[in-house]
Amino acid sequence: GDSVTQTEGLVTVTEGLPVKLNCTYQTTYLTIAFFWYVQYLNEAPQVLLKSSTDNKRTEHQGFHATLHKSSSSFHLQKSSAQLSDSALYYCALRTGNTGKLIFGLGTTLQVQP
Amino acid sequence: GGIITQTPKFLIGQEGQKLTLKCQQNFNHDTMYWYRQDSGKGLRLIYYSITENDLQKGDLSEGYDASREKKSSFSLTVTSAQKNEMAVFLCASSPDWGGRYQDTQYFGPGTRLLVL
Repeated sequence: GDSVTQTEGLVTVTEGLPVKLNCTYQTTYLTIAFFWYVQYLNEAPQVLLKSSTDNKRTEHQGFHATLHKSSSSFHLQKSSAQLSDSALYYCALRTGNTGKLIFGLGTTLQVQP
Repeated sequence: GGIITQTPKFLIGQEGQKLTLKCQQNFNHDTMYWYRQDSGKGLRLIYYSITENDLQKGDLSEGYDASREKKSSFSLTVTSAQKNEMAVFLCASSPDWGGRYQDTQYFGPGTRLLVL
């Protein structure tokens, strides 16, 4: 079946340094959409980035990601991490003609001074 | 814009008790979802409703019931709370089920459940 694998557990980075959260997927569908959700403490998950176009860079709030179907990846990156980026991040895959999202297990990003 | 409201924010129950969580959305979305969030386990789909009067089981439906009272509201019932259970239940909605691929699911802030 379809699956999503992301950097698990806790990622700690120093403020001002780059950060990369990995996300790969497995699916037999050719048409897909991919999402990165961010969840700040005690808040609702919200969409950070989304894409359904192969090899097109998507950017929002300083974060960027590119869907690479050749490597089945949609990694999240930021060139300079901020303290306010500390949160729980989920990648999610949507396949076929359904509204169902398949989520990764989540990565907690902790940005330290 | 719109908002998803979940009640209650915190729910403390006893083992074996039936507990009901409620969700309201004013996006006028057709499709609604219930997820369970456990640390390190991602978001797991419990139930979803494609349109009003529709109910579909997700991957984690055992031990739960759901009802879609009207287009804007979706309830989840824990049929028999398990001792020491602790989880966050998230409600979400999206415009429709088979729409544009980039249609987003919008989430509520969650109900935090603790069973004593």
